Amino acid sequence: QITLKESGPTLVKPTQTLTLTCTFSGFSFSSFGGGVAWIRQPPGKALEWLALIYWDGDKRFSPSLKNRLTITKDTSKNQVVLTMTSMDPVDTATYYCARRDMAFDYWGQGTLVTVSS
Amino acid sequence: QSVLTQPPSVSAAPGQKVTISCSGSSSNVGNNDVSWYQQVPGTAPKLLIGDNNKRPSGIPDRFSASKSGTSATLGITGLQTGDEADYYCGTWDTILRAWVFGGGTKLTVL
Repeated sequence: QITLKESGPTLVKPTQTLTLTCTFSGFSFSSFGGGVAWIRQPPGKALEWLALIYWDGDKRFSPSLKNRLTITKDTSKNQVVLTMTSMDPVDTATYYCARRDMAFDYWGQGTLVTVSS
Repeated sequence: QSVLTQPPSVSAAPGQKVTISCSGSSSNVGNNDVSWYQQVPGTAPKLLIGDNNKRPSGIPDRFSASKSGTSATLGITGLQTGDEADYYCGTWDTILRAWVFGGGTKLTVL
C-alpha cells in the first residue's frame, strides 16, 4: 500500500521560510524510476505544481517560483523536503506531495499552510 | 490564469453522460500525455486517467479520456451522485518546462 503524508507548520509569518516534509511508504526511490512532487492549492483555487525530485536526484522547479524553492530527498528515510523562502500571504494554500510515475498517481492528504502575521 | 483551459462547471442528470474539455497548445496537450484528476471537496486529488489513457486499478470504465490536437476530453458515463467533484487535467509543458494543470471543472449531478 502506497501512502504519502505531509508534515510541517500550519502557520508561518510573512518573510519566513517554510519547510515541509513528505514521508512516504510502499515504494522507495531505489526501486522506483519516478519522482516525488509538491503541488499546492490556494483555498477555492486550482492546483499549482511547485517542484519535483526524481529517484536519481534530478530536480524540476516551477519557473515562477524556482528562485524561492529547494527540494531534497533522504532515500534512507523515504522523505522529500521542500523549502520555500520569503513566504507571503498569497502563498496560503494546501500543500500536497504526490508520487510521479506515469502521472501523479498517489497523493498525500495535504497540509494547510496559512501565512499571516 | 491557468495554462490549460477547462469550463468552470458542467452538469447533467444521474445516468447521463458528460464531457469535460481541456484546451491547451502544441507545447503541452498537443505533444504530451494528459492525465485527469478527481477532487471531492475537502479531500486530496485522485488520479482518474493516467498518461497513455490508462485507468488505475479501481477506477471504473465509466471514466474515459481522449485527445485531438491541442484539446483533451474526459468523458463520464452513467453519472452518479458520487461523481460530484472538481475535475482537473494536467500535462507537461515543453516550453515552460513545468507540469501544468487546468483551472478545474465543477461537476454537478442534478
